[in-house]
Parts: sequence; structure tokens; C-alpha cells
Amino acid sequence: GQQVMQIPQYQHVQEGEDFTTYCNSSTTLSNIQWYKQRPGGHPVFLIQLVKSGEVKKQKRLTFQFGEAKKNSSLHITATQTTDVGTYFCAGYQAGTALIFGKGTTLSVSS
Amino acid sequence: DSGVTQTPKHLITATGQRVTLRCSPRSGDLSVYWYQQSLDQGLQFLIQYYNGEERAKGNILERFSAQQFPDLHSELNLSSLELGDSALYFCASSARGGRLGQETQYFGPGTRLLVL
Repeated sequence: GQQVMQIPQYQHVQEGEDFTTYCNSSTTLSNIQWYKQRPGGHPVFLIQLVKSGEVKKQKRLTFQFGEAKKNSSLHITATQTTDVGTYFCAGYQAGTALIFGKGTTLSVSS
Repeated sequence: DSGVTQTPKHLITATGQRVTLRCSPRSGDLSVYWYQQSLDQGLQFLIQYYNGEERAKGNILERFSAQQFPDLHSELNLSSLELGDSALYFCASSARGGRLGQETQYFGPGTRLLVL
């Protein structure tokens, strides 16, 4: 069945360092969504990517969708303590449900 | 605050029991989704309802069932509970849900279920 793998599982950075999480699907995706879940909180929608090769930016966050629409990445520039949480990608393939990766948990020390 | 409400926040019960989790979607949203989040399995899609009708099914066990009522609130029923059912159960809603996975989903705060 469709799988969405996300790496790394955990990442610890010093405040000010960059951070990247990668998402890979075993099948071509129609679109991919990214969510953030703070400790003790619920997933919050960040962005959706639909087009092959699409790049979107939200302040310090840069999201990319691969040319083959099988992978995606989220890059955070100059992390802050407010970036702490787990970042999930969720891929959608036509005719199936939204499949979530297991997430990358980011911790930031000041 | 996403506008999605879930009750109860916490639930402790015993194996073999049955529980009902409740979700009220954001005002105006027609679709409700249920997810199970556990440490080992991550966030698993269970089921989606759109305007009272089942729209999509994920990894939902036969012991679990759901429904969406005319006022659009939804209930997830879990029966013959096992230790492994202990998890965080999220409800999410979206405006329409015509194409699963292509709308922003707004998650509720979740119900933490502990089966002893």
C-alpha cells in the first residue's frame, strides 16, 4: 500500500541553526500537505503543495514538492524556540485517503 | 483554537468496554474526519463523513464505528476495547470534502483514551 516515509525522526538544533525534514512517497502523489503539532497540541495545517517542482515560502519556512511528485521537504532557516514541535507531511493519492508520515520532532536549545 | 470541539478530553476505561467520542466541526464545515495517533503508528486516518454520509474509510477496525448526525456533529464508537486502543483520537473538519486530502483540515484538541 501507499507509504509516506519521513526523515529524520528526531532533530535537535541550536537556536539560529537551519533545519530540514524530508518526506518520501512510494507512489506519485496528487498533492502533499504539511502540518505542525506542538507538544501536547493538535496538528495545525501549514501549507499544501500541488504542482510538480512547486516551492512555497512562509517567512522562515520553505516548502518544496519534487519534480516527480514523490518527495517533499520543509526547510526552516534560523530556527527559533517557537519552532519546537513535530512536523508531519501528509500525502494524497487519488482514490485513497490522506497518508501521514510519522513526523519529525524538532527540539531547539537556546 | 481551530473551532473544532471534542469531548471528553480524557477517558479512562477497562478492556472489553465501549466508549463514544464526540466531535463538533467548525461552523459551516460539512466534512468530519477521525484519526488515531499512537506513539508507534503515528497519525492514522480512520474514516471521513461528508454531510452525513460515509465518504472514505481508512484503517478503521471492525470494532470501531462512526456516524455523522444531521446537525453535522460526529461520534466515534469504540467497542470491545483492547489495551492497544489506548491512543489520542483526533477529529478534524473541512469545508467540503469533495476530494479527500485536497482541503485544509482543522483538527480538534483530541480525546486521550487510556484502556486499562
